[in-house]
Amino acid sequence: EAQVTQNPRYLITVTGKKLTVTCSQNMNHEYMSWYRQDPGLGLRQIYYSMNVEVTDKGDVPEGYKVSRKEKRNFPLILESPSPNQTSLYFCASGLKTGSTEAFFGQGTRLTVV
Amino acid sequence: GESVGLHLPTLSVQEGDNSIINCAYSNSASDYFIWYKQESGKGPQFIIDIRSNMDKRQGQRVTVLLNKTVKHLSLQIAATQPGDSAVYFCAENRSPENTGFQKLVFGTGTRLLVSP
Repeated sequence: EAQVTQNPRYLITVTGKKLTVTCSQNMNHEYMSWYRQDPGLGLRQIYYSMNVEVTDKGDVPEGYKVSRKEKRNFPLILESPSPNQTSLYFCASGLKTGSTEAFFGQGTRLTVV
Repeated sequence: GESVGLHLPTLSVQEGDNSIINCAYSNSASDYFIWYKQESGKGPQFIIDIRSNMDKRQGQRVTVLLNKTVKHLSLQIAATQPGDSAVYFCAENRSPENTGFQKLVFGTGTRLLVSP
């Protein structure tokens, strides 16, 4: 089954404790992206990647890191999480050209206390 | 600043009615406009897109209209069903240097409630 898989689905952590949210897709997509979703603000792009070893900042990259060492994986790293990073996070993937259809994961609800 | 937004946060309709969800945008350089549906507890799901050089596109029970003159986008759902209840987002594809996909910029969403 074609899918984007995020882990974990739920996470509660403390301020300053490094964490990684994993994202994996099995559709051989070049494009992958991370979004955060907050009430009243919709989905905002954090980082995106057009291919292996190619990443770029989205609209709200501060406090986040990403890497794209393999085509299928695009982990989101919070080196020192803060309470304002409490949010619902979505990973998405898609073809680089020829389609605007992005496939989203189920989401990761992160709470930083 | 540039933005993609929605006129109404919540739209309530009766089952069988037609629904119209509206969206305003401000970036004339976007090459595609897209509608996504997000059901409770799930990630957004692609519904339909429209290229910026078109003004109408139809899918199964859905029609998207694009009015570039007033920078307005709408999604029409025919014969709305309870399963259509969700949050609907419009999005723009802002492709850096026309590289294709994709910098998706989302609006804030409209909740569609369908009552039987």
